[in-house]
Amino acid sequence: DGGITQSPKYLFRKEGQNVTLSCEQNLNHDAMYWYRQDPGQGLRLIYYSQIVNDFQKGDIAEGYSVSREKKESFPLTVTSAQKNPTAFYLCASADRGRYEQYFGPGTRLTVT
Amino acid sequence: KNQVEQSPQSLIILEGKNCTLQCNYTVSPFSNLRWYKQDTGRGPVSLTIMTFSENTKSNGRYTATLDADTKQSSLHITASQLSDSASYICVVTGGSYIPTFGRGTSLIVHP
Repeated sequence: DGGITQSPKYLFRKEGQNVTLSCEQNLNHDAMYWYRQDPGQGLRLIYYSQIVNDFQKGDIAEGYSVSREKKESFPLTVTSAQKNPTAFYLCASADRGRYEQYFGPGTRLTVT
Repeated sequence: KNQVEQSPQSLIILEGKNCTLQCNYTVSPFSNLRWYKQDTGRGPVSLTIMTFSENTKSNGRYTATLDADTKQSSLHITASQLSDSASYICVVTGGSYIPTFGRGTSLIVHP
């Protein structure tokens, strides 16, 4: 069953703790992306990676970090430096030829 | 700056009625335009994708149009169903292959 998965679906953390969100895809896509979605706003790009071992900052990368050690995995770490981390986080992957993005189910992070 | 503007922000219609959602963009150069449907609390799902040379694309009751000259697109939903209640997002990709997202139109279909 091909697709893109994110885990967990809901995540709760205390302020000051780092937390890592998982994103895995078995679509053999080269490109992967992390977005943040807040109520009433469009998706905002955090980080993206077009090939293994390479990634670039998006529009709102401050307070986040990523790694791309394997083609199928692109974990996102929300660090304590992120001022307002509570949000819905979406991971996506895309074939480099068509660039039609496929999205995971999302992780809702709540930091208190 | 690349921008995608969607209208209306929200829309309420009765089941069985048709509706049209609008998308205007300033992304240049243009690569493709996609419409996504996002149910509450879920990831977006692609409805249609159009390149520069395509001016209409259908997916069941969903029909998207593209006018690359005026940089406008529309998504027409025919014979709406309760399950059409969702946010519809217009996404435009340019030469950098980094997409620009609209804020979405929230559609509510009432019985």
